[in-house]
Amino acid sequence: ETGVTQSPTHLIKTRGQQVTLRCSSQSGHNTVSWYQQALGQGPQFIFQYYREEENGRGNFPPRFSGLQFPNYSSELNVNALELDDSALYLCASSFRLAQETQYFGPGTRLLVL
Amino acid sequence: AQRVTQPEKLLSVFKGAPVELKCNYSYSGSPELFWYVQYSRQRLQLLLRHISRESIKGFTADLNKGETSFHLKKPFAQEEDSAMYYCALMPQGGSEKLVFGKGTKLTVNP
Repeated sequence: ETGVTQSPTHLIKTRGQQVTLRCSSQSGHNTVSWYQQALGQGPQFIFQYYREEENGRGNFPPRFSGLQFPNYSSELNVNALELDDSALYLCASSFRLAQETQYFGPGTRLLVL
Repeated sequence: AQRVTQPEKLLSVFKGAPVELKCNYSYSGSPELFWYVQYSRQRLQLLLRHISRESIKGFTADLNKGETSFHLKKPFAQEEDSAMYYCALMPQGGSEKLVFGKGTKLTVNP
C-alpha cells in the first residue's frame, strides 16, 4: 500500500507569483483534502475534492484553487502569492464514507518572499 | 461555530508520570473526534479516534459530551511519546473537513 505523497518538498516564490503543489492519494482512496499550516498553528482546511469536484471549502479566497484527476491525484494552485501564504501545505486522502479517517502526506513548505 | 481548543501549548512531564493533554470543542451536532500526532521530522499521523475506542501506544481518550471535551491520557509516559499532538473534530454530514486545535507539544524528560 502506497501512502500519500506530495511534491515538491520545499518551494520559494516571490510575492505576486503563482504556485502549483501536487499530491498523490493513498492507494484505494478517492477523496483529497488540502490544509494550510502556518507556523505554530494547527492545520486549516482549504478545500476537499471528491470525484473531481470541489466538495467543501474553508475560509480561503478564490485565488486558492484546486483540481482532482481521474486517478484521484490532486493539485493546489495559488495565484497572486502573498507573504502570509508562507506555510506548510498538507494534503490528506481518504475513502469517502461517513467521517472517514484522513491520512496525511509529508507536506510542501512554501516560502513567499 | 466549530472550534477546537487545546489550552496547553507546551506540556512537560517526567518518564513514568501520567500525562493528560486537554482538548475542548465547540460544535452543536455529533462530531467525530480525533487525536493526531506528529513526531519529529515525520508526517502527521492518526493516533486514535473516538469511534474506534482503541487504545494506541497506551493512550486513551474519552468523549465527554457534557463538558465537550476529548482529553488524551496515558498512565505512564515514555520518552518516545515526545511529539506534537493535535486534537481535531470532523463535523457530521456535508464536507468531511477536519477542524484542528493549535496543538500541544509534549516533552517527556528522562
